[in-house]
Amino acid sequence: DVKVTQSSRYLVKRTGEKVFLECVQDMDHENMFWYRQDPGLGLRLIYFSYDVKMKEKGDIPEGYSVSREKKERFSLILESASTNQTSMYLCASSLRIGTGPYEQYFGPGTRLTVT
Amino acid sequence: AQTVTQSQPEMSVQEAETVTLSCTYDTSESDYYLFWYKQPPSRQMILVIRQEAYKQQNATENRFSVNFQKAAKSFSLKISDSQLGDAAMYFCAYSNTGFQKLVFGTGTRLLVSP
Repeated sequence: DVKVTQSSRYLVKRTGEKVFLECVQDMDHENMFWYRQDPGLGLRLIYFSYDVKMKEKGDIPEGYSVSREKKERFSLILESASTNQTSMYLCASSLRIGTGPYEQYFGPGTRLTVT
Repeated sequence: AQTVTQSQPEMSVQEAETVTLSCTYDTSESDYYLFWYKQPPSRQMILVIRQEAYKQQNATENRFSVNFQKAAKSFSLKISDSQLGDAAMYFCAYSNTGFQKLVFGTGTRLLVSP
């Protein structure tokens, strides 16, 4: 079974802190994604990566950055956390090579509260 | 840009009954993929069913089936013989054939009563 894990289920940080959210997948997937989930807004894509050291902006990249130094690990970084970044953050991974459609496998999510 | 609309924020169904969740989307592409994902309370999101736009036949997975109307850009999910374990948020999602980046709808919360 594909497993996508996220470093924390719940996280509380103060405004201005630098925050790291870690995601690890164990199925050698090329693609990895970071989403933000807010009530009434669904899931919105923050950043994605289709290979090591490659990254692409999603729909709402402002205030975030990412890092992918190893294929299995994709980190989301909040350089200076703000209260409007309080949200549920979901990581996902999928295959890339070959024909689709490819199922995205999701982690359990990190509920981040910025006070 | 592609958009996905789920107009039902919440739906209710009784056990053993059938319920249909609605989804419409907008795209100028002719080939694409559509998905329904399920997010149970405090649990990970999982894929329920997928549909490839070039396939006219509606996808079916056990009690879950879709009604794919390409011309109308409609993609509804039918759950037959509803069970308590079906209670969850359901998200409709769209993907191009390129990078497979997903565009999600806002979700429908399904409540199942005994």
